[in-house]
Amino acid sequence: GQNIDQPTEMTATEGAIVQINCTYQTSGFNGLFWYQQHAGEAPTFLSYNVLDGLEEKGRFSSFLSRSKGYSYLLLKELQMKDSASYLCAVLTSGGSYIPTFGRGTSLIVHP
Amino acid sequence: KAGVTQTPRYLIKTRGQQVTLSCSPISGHRSVSWYQQTPGQGLQFLFEYFSETQRNKGNFPGRFSGRQFSNSRSEMNVSTLELGDSALYLCATRTSGGPEETQYFGPGTRLLVL
Repeated sequence: GQNIDQPTEMTATEGAIVQINCTYQTSGFNGLFWYQQHAGEAPTFLSYNVLDGLEEKGRFSSFLSRSKGYSYLLLKELQMKDSASYLCAVLTSGGSYIPTFGRGTSLIVHP
Repeated sequence: KAGVTQTPRYLIKTRGQQVTLSCSPISGHRSVSWYQQTPGQGLQFLFEYFSETQRNKGNFPGRFSGRQFSNSRSEMNVSTLELGDSALYLCATRTSGGPEETQYFGPGTRLLVL
């Protein structure tokens, strides 16, 4: 089966940097997604990693290590609007598109 | 482009009833996936439809079913509702391609089963 772990909640200060970790154990691997979900809203896509390394997109970066079953989402220059839930999702291999989501990390940014 | 739309946005049903939810994808998107989101289980994949055929299926009982029409609009049906079916039901669409393709979520239908 699939197992994806993320911290339940994190807090950080406006302007700071925060790293949200995601570890996974899956049968096969075909990529890892990060989504942002504000309370009461739908998830929105942040990043997709399938190869090892760091992908940077503005204030957000995502890192993947397939050998370690580990990813993190790095948020820089935090803003109040970054307060949201961050979901890690893993795609298993085998030709099917069945993403398995972690429970999400609720990030609270305070002034 | 208009985004993904879902109807209705809110729904209250009683145990034993059935419900049908609708999802209209972004123009040009042929893949529609359905998810259930609850506080206890998080976001879970139900199934994906592409070109009117179910392409992938998650681990949900047969009470959960769906279909897709020739215009790519999709419906999801839940029969014999149970209290535990209370959840936010999200659909997400993408054009058709590989796993790296971004999917776009609709606003969801919030279902309450009494």
